[in-house]
Amino acid sequence: NAGVTQTPKFRILKIGQSMTLQCAQDMNHNYMYWYRQDPGMGLKLIYYSVGAGITDKGEVPNGYNVSRSTTEDFPLRLELAAPSQTSVYFCASRPGSFRDKTYEQYFGPGTRLTVT
Amino acid sequence: QKEVEQNSGPLSVPEGAIASLNCTYSDRGSQSFFWYRQYSGKSPELIMSIYSNGDKEDGRFTAQLNKASQYVSLLIRDSQPSDSATYLCAVMVGSGGSNYKLTFGKGTLLTVNP
Repeated sequence: NAGVTQTPKFRILKIGQSMTLQCAQDMNHNYMYWYRQDPGMGLKLIYYSVGAGITDKGEVPNGYNVSRSTTEDFPLRLELAAPSQTSVYFCASRPGSFRDKTYEQYFGPGTRLTVT
Repeated sequence: QKEVEQNSGPLSVPEGAIASLNCTYSDRGSQSFFWYRQYSGKSPELIMSIYSNGDKEDGRFTAQLNKASQYVSLLIRDSQPSDSATYLCAVMVGSGGSNYKLTFGKGTLLTVNP
């Protein structure tokens, strides 16, 4: 298994441009998450999904959109990029269902985004 | 606001010593607790999970949970320079839909000196 993969690794955007951060997992995990990590600020949840076709907002969703058309893929869309979106973005997934009580999340390698 | 607090450090220990990392959380409904290790420029890596009060040991790592005090800690025995990293405490509140989300602390930077 490749685990959780993310592309691209690095990206520089100009203010107002848009882009999609890709995330995929090959572990058949139902749950997937997008976080951003700013220096010294910990991880903040942007959006999450509990299965294909179901997404919900996290703590900091403004300026982002997601979709989940398949179990494997969970892309994050940035519209009209702003300097405040300069950050490192991590995708994560976790197996199981609520009944399984398995809550460990596994992270992808991250995408480092700079908006100038 | 559900909060997870960690001392940002840096915590500096000599090689071979015990490193003790601490975390407190605000939500008494929290049921699941995790420690992640994050090397500089890398993604978080899960190293321990703990769900019940008491100690859980895995190799050189021991996680300790005290729900009454809302406190979780990570002990690293025989610390090695390769343990130098930021350690993130994460807490999941267990009730209904909120089971799906983790709240992370800001992390403690650990430096192990040879």
